Amino acid sequence: AQSVTQPDIHITVSEGASLELRCNYSYGATPYLFWYVQSPGQGLQLLLKYFSGDTLVQGIKGFEAEFKRSQSSFNLRKPSVHWSDAAEYFCAVGARGKLIFGQGTELSVKP
Amino acid sequence: GAVVSQHPSRVICKSGTSVKIECRSLDFQATTMFWYRQFPKQSLMLMATSNEGSKATYEQGVEKDKFLINHASLTLSTLTVTSAHPEDSSFYICSAIKSGQGASYEQYFGPGTRLTVT
Repeated sequence: AQSVTQPDIHITVSEGASLELRCNYSYGATPYLFWYVQSPGQGLQLLLKYFSGDTLVQGIKGFEAEFKRSQSSFNLRKPSVHWSDAAEYFCAVGARGKLIFGQGTELSVKP
Repeated sequence: GAVVSQHPSRVICKSGTSVKIECRSLDFQATTMFWYRQFPKQSLMLMATSNEGSKATYEQGVEKDKFLINHASLTLSTLTVTSAHPEDSSFYICSAIKSGQGASYEQYFGPGTRLTVT
């Protein structure tokens, strides 16, 4: 069955530090992969997506993610975190016409 | 483009009453819309897939008689929570796929509706 795992429920980083959020998926075919961000009480905003081609994808707000088929991973990275990046981050895989979401990772940013 | 709105953003209703939540695609047509439910500090749970002009497809465990979905036009889907109870209190989020986009899975999300049943 298709599934998405985000191993880290909560991460705290210092402002200006680098960030990596982990995402592992289980899917038999070539996956469509997404990262979304959700601020408190808000809907989801798409950060970036991978459908095919270059395995390193660039997104909005300085985020990037790398698709590694051998590791079934799609980790999200940012070289320098800003206080405004504090939010909930969801990884998702497209399967059978639906999006399957991971449990989410809450990011806190220390001044 | 690709803006999805929801109305209302917050609603409080009494137990036993019904409440309707609207989801609109403002600048595109959406043959398919989705309704999600999200509990505090949890992920999104897909409730149903709504297709314009046809019956919604509900996920396993979702009561179709309690959560009525209507997708009467290419820009509007509604979710009606009937005979609401406190356990129905939650954050409801809709999303839409652009018509003709095919199986790209790229969904555009609304801002969500906070339902509180007293």
